Amino acid sequence: DAGVIQSPRHEVTEMGQEVTLRCKPISGHDYLFWYRQTMMRGLELLIYFNNNVPIDDSGMPEDRFSAKMPNASFSTLKIQPSEPRDSAVYFCASSRGLARNTQYFGPGTRLTVL
Amino acid sequence: GENVEQHPSTLSVQEGDSAVIKCTYSDSASNYFPWYKQELGKGPQLIIDIRSNVGEKKDQRIAVTLNKTAKHFSLHITETQPEDSAVYFCAASKGQNFVFGPGTRLSVLP
Repeated sequence: DAGVIQSPRHEVTEMGQEVTLRCKPISGHDYLFWYRQTMMRGLELLIYFNNNVPIDDSGMPEDRFSAKMPNASFSTLKIQPSEPRDSAVYFCASSRGLARNTQYFGPGTRLTVL
Repeated sequence: GENVEQHPSTLSVQEGDSAVIKCTYSDSASNYFPWYKQELGKGPQLIIDIRSNVGEKKDQRIAVTLNKTAKHFSLHITETQPEDSAVYFCAASKGQNFVFGPGTRLSVLP
């Protein structure tokens, strides 16, 4: 049974470039979450979706960040333009909301903005 | 909003000893408390969870206790093994919005 899939696993880009992170949730899960992990701030929830609809984006740091979920099996997190302070590990997680709330995390994308 | 504190930030124990990690939360409406283990280069993995209508839950060497009145919950690992070395996160939620603690780096020394 495949878990949450994220791509790319590593991304190195230069300041000002657009970055797109991708996520495929576990099949049958109706919630999808994007988190950011840094040493300073720990694990922060950026945004989450229910049935492809954004429910809470209060954690999105700035207008440079945007997320979409065009269908139940795919989501993107985009940063445009990227800045060095966006360097972090970005995790996608999914859950089946009607069940136990358990969130299953993907392996993460390590983003480095030079 | 919810605030979760976690202690200690680092913990070293000898193999075979027990380890205890404690968390406190601020929102009395929180009703779900999962614990995650994160190994280097990987995403957090759920190891055990507890709901607010339960005071204690055990799964082999791992147990979690919850004190709703005091708003704190703890993770207990007995007979620790080197493979238990990782960063452990607690979280509190009242729905889908999890608030994570800052993490505890556990080192099990052989």
